[in-house]
Amino acid sequence: AQSVAQPEDQVNVAEGNPLTVKCTYSVSGNPYLFWYVQYPNRGLQFLLKYITGDNLVKGSYGFEAEFNKSQTSFHLKKPSALVSDSALYFCAVRESWGDSGAGSYQLTFGKGTKLSVIP
Amino acid sequence: EAQVTQNPRYLITVTGKKLTVTCSQNMNHEYMSWYRQDPGLGLRQIYYSMNVEVTDKGDVPEGYKVSRKEKRNFPLILESPSPNQTSLYFCASSLSGQASYSNQPQHFGDGTRLSIL
Repeated sequence: AQSVAQPEDQVNVAEGNPLTVKCTYSVSGNPYLFWYVQYPNRGLQFLLKYITGDNLVKGSYGFEAEFNKSQTSFHLKKPSALVSDSALYFCAVRESWGDSGAGSYQLTFGKGTKLSVIP
Repeated sequence: EAQVTQNPRYLITVTGKKLTVTCSQNMNHEYMSWYRQDPGLGLRQIYYSMNVEVTDKGDVPEGYKVSRKEKRNFPLILESPSPNQTSLYFCASSLSGQASYSNQPQHFGDGTRLSIL
């Protein structure tokens, strides 16, 4: 079984400060990991993903995430937060079945973390 | 513009009155899925479809039906809605239903907020 935990329901950060949104995962094998963002009254938008290779993944809007296999974590980061980054962030995982791109058919989401960037 | 379109966006109805939420994508994606989003529970998968005429249950399929007669459409059917199905529903699609494309991100619709009284 695969699962995702986002330990913080809410993260508050001052504008201009670095931000981190935490995510840990559990899969039987290797993971495909994703971050999505949800703005009010909108669907989820894809931010970035980890498949294999470099542990630091860069994505949209200046976000990046660091994959740590030993800690089974995939924390989302941004060096300097903007007020417009305020939104709901979801981490998601699929189990990888090897290097071909194959993996489980279901995507499992965390419960979400509300990020508030304070002016 | 590449998009996933859900209708209606909002619906208030009563217990037992059958309803259908439509979902359509214009990206020729094989994989489509329905999720429900509830406070404190995140997104939970209801059903998914890997291609035309191929559907399977997700984590919370009870009380829902789906069909995939055409590649672009994946309607969600509530035959006899109940108040515990009041939720925010999302349809999503991605390139391939085959396991070999499991690393592809999903594209989401803007959601349908259902209230069942």
